Amino acid sequence: SQQGEEDPQALSIQEGENATMNCSYKTSINNLQWYRQNSGRGLVHLILIRSNEREKHSGRLRVTLDTSKKSSSLLITASRAADTASYFCAPRGDSGGYQKVTFGIGTKLQVIP
Amino acid sequence: DGGITQSPKYLFRKEGQNVTLSCEQNLNHDAMYWYRQDPGQGLRLIYYSQIVNDFQKGDIAEGYSVSREKKESFPLTVTSAQKNPTAFYLCASSMWSMGQYEQYFGPGTRLTVT
Repeated sequence: SQQGEEDPQALSIQEGENATMNCSYKTSINNLQWYRQNSGRGLVHLILIRSNEREKHSGRLRVTLDTSKKSSSLLITASRAADTASYFCAPRGDSGGYQKVTFGIGTKLQVIP
Repeated sequence: DGGITQSPKYLFRKEGQNVTLSCEQNLNHDAMYWYRQDPGQGLRLIYYSQIVNDFQKGDIAEGYSVSREKKESFPLTVTSAQKNPTAFYLCASSMWSMGQYEQYFGPGTRLTVT
């Protein structure tokens, strides 16, 4: 199965600061996705970066991917209280057909107003 | 509105009873998934389905059953054989090629069994 390991497990920052969270994985991938989960809600897809991309931006989000190190990072710039949530990375395999698409424990981000 | 819905949002059951959680999507997605999330934990995969009338066990399928008679629907039954069923259950869907497209999640069902 494809599962990432997020680091740190928890992060607390002041509003306006940047938040960086990291993801490591073990197998080759087709793409890597980041999701956000607000407390008691479903996950929301944030951004997808393909294996042939090194960096991708979406609004205040910046994702990097280093396939040689099997790692990715998610940077949230100028954080807001509304960014408080858990963040999950999801490395996804390069084969079609059935895949066990799973999720790790995530990084719990708290943005203090 | 296009999306994925789960019902009910909260469900309370007595121990020993089977209970079925509903999941419906109108996104025309082929693949659907069920996850379980316990407090402070990640998501663990229960069952997944790539096409109608076919599904595969995930990592924690024991005590659960599913059906996929229609593309839009993927109900999950929590049976009395599931030893610790109290949890937050999330349903998701994606386009057919598993892993190559993002997943869309429902709002979840919080099941409490006493």
